Amino acid sequence: QSPLTQPASVSGSLGQSVSISCTGTTSDVGGYEFVSWYQQHPGEAPKLIIFDVSNRPSGVSHRFSGSKSGNTASLTISGLQAEDEADYFCSSYRSGSDTQWVFGGGTQVTVL
Amino acid sequence: QVQLVQSGAEVKKPGASVKVSCKASGYTFTGHNIHWVRQARGEGLEWVGRINPYGGGTKFAEKFQGRVTMTGETSSNTVFMELKGLTSDDTALYYCARGGKICSGFVCFDLWGQGTLVTVSA
Repeated sequence: QSPLTQPASVSGSLGQSVSISCTGTTSDVGGYEFVSWYQQHPGEAPKLIIFDVSNRPSGVSHRFSGSKSGNTASLTISGLQAEDEADYFCSSYRSGSDTQWVFGGGTQVTVL
Repeated sequence: QVQLVQSGAEVKKPGASVKVSCKASGYTFTGHNIHWVRQARGEGLEWVGRINPYGGGTKFAEKFQGRVTMTGETSSNTVFMELKGLTSDDTALYYCARGGKICSGFVCFDLWGQGTLVTVSA
């Protein structure tokens, strides 16, 4: 059971948009603007695609966007492309314990 | 080239210890925290802890406290993670990851190593 809750899988057709939710608590997602998202292709290390809830690192496609409402953060992939098929993990800083960084269980995105 | 390169796969028996290295290059080694994150096969990511290579300060997730040690060697730009008292539940891919300065509070991971598979088996 991962500290942050994500759907196990989402799917969409080429060109469509999909959204992935990430639900936590007021001690993590809801309490800070410190949510980040990672993309992981099979056999590869994770790659940072969103930081501070909604910011993209240089070189990351503008088709990836992030937002947050209350204790739930969301990642939206617009104009779905074949190379977007991967696992996506959310992460947040957490206060109140020694376990300062927590992750979601991951969401597998399938492009139909 | 900015990168983190980890040591190779390890196979250990239950009760043993494992020490994994992570060598940084292409950036100022002492300028970023290094975190360790693990991933069991088919599972999510789990934060193990982090080290500040500048002063050697560490912070560990509660479940690993007393069992994990992290050290840094500035002469070789390398950090090490040692995990003791291994059980089959510790079988996982262990990643080192850099705390990103682009993120507020440095609370994201902007550069990852390739991962080191640790297998615990009798």
